[in-house]
Amino acid sequence: GIQVEQSPPDLILQEGANSTLRCNFSDSVNNLQWFHQNPWGQLINLFYIPSGTKQNGRLSATTVATERYSLLYISSSQTTDSGVYFCAPKTGANNLFFGTGTRLTVIP
Amino acid sequence: GAVVSQHPSRVICKSGTSVKIECRSLDFQATTMFWYRQFPKQSLMLMATSNEGSKATYEQGVEKDKFLINHASLTLSTLTVTSAHPEDSSFYICSARRGGTGELFFGEGSRLTVL
Repeated sequence: GIQVEQSPPDLILQEGANSTLRCNFSDSVNNLQWFHQNPWGQLINLFYIPSGTKQNGRLSATTVATERYSLLYISSSQTTDSGVYFCAPKTGANNLFFGTGTRLTVIP
Repeated sequence: GAVVSQHPSRVICKSGTSVKIECRSLDFQATTMFWYRQFPKQSLMLMATSNEGSKATYEQGVEKDKFLINHASLTLSTLTVTSAHPEDSSFYICSARRGGTGELFFGEGSRLTVL
């Protein structure tokens, strides 16, 4: 299957700071989703973004499919942003391939 | 966003018993659902793809007789961990694929502890 690498693996931010999370993948994709897993384990859909740029409040994401990467931007971070962020691209198969995740801790 | 509900959220059972976990798509029909397993501080590992009205497709290394999957309707898939052992203790998460874009939505997860 497709290989997915996320960086950085861990990130500590002061509340109010901005950050960029990166996802590199090894093959062409027809779909890509970003998720936030909160401390209780719930996976929250952030973006469905096979290509281009989308914004939702303080978050935005960009996928450059031809160069096989996607970026997640978090601006003005809040403590509630803490958790693990997963990138999950999909090729022609039905399932998503999950990256190793970026563990974000936002401190007040 | 779409809603996928998973039940129970937590279950503790004795070794040797069987446990059933339900995954329901509440506001859309899902011909395809997925079951994942997650170990502490690790990523999600796909266990199987559940197709409505047909047999599930299991990933390599996942015992189909141990993890029984039934997808009897367009809104319900169940995972039964049979003859559970302590090494089966884990966080199990289901997802449902919505038609059209194919976007996946996840349940809340079920934490299984086998004593």
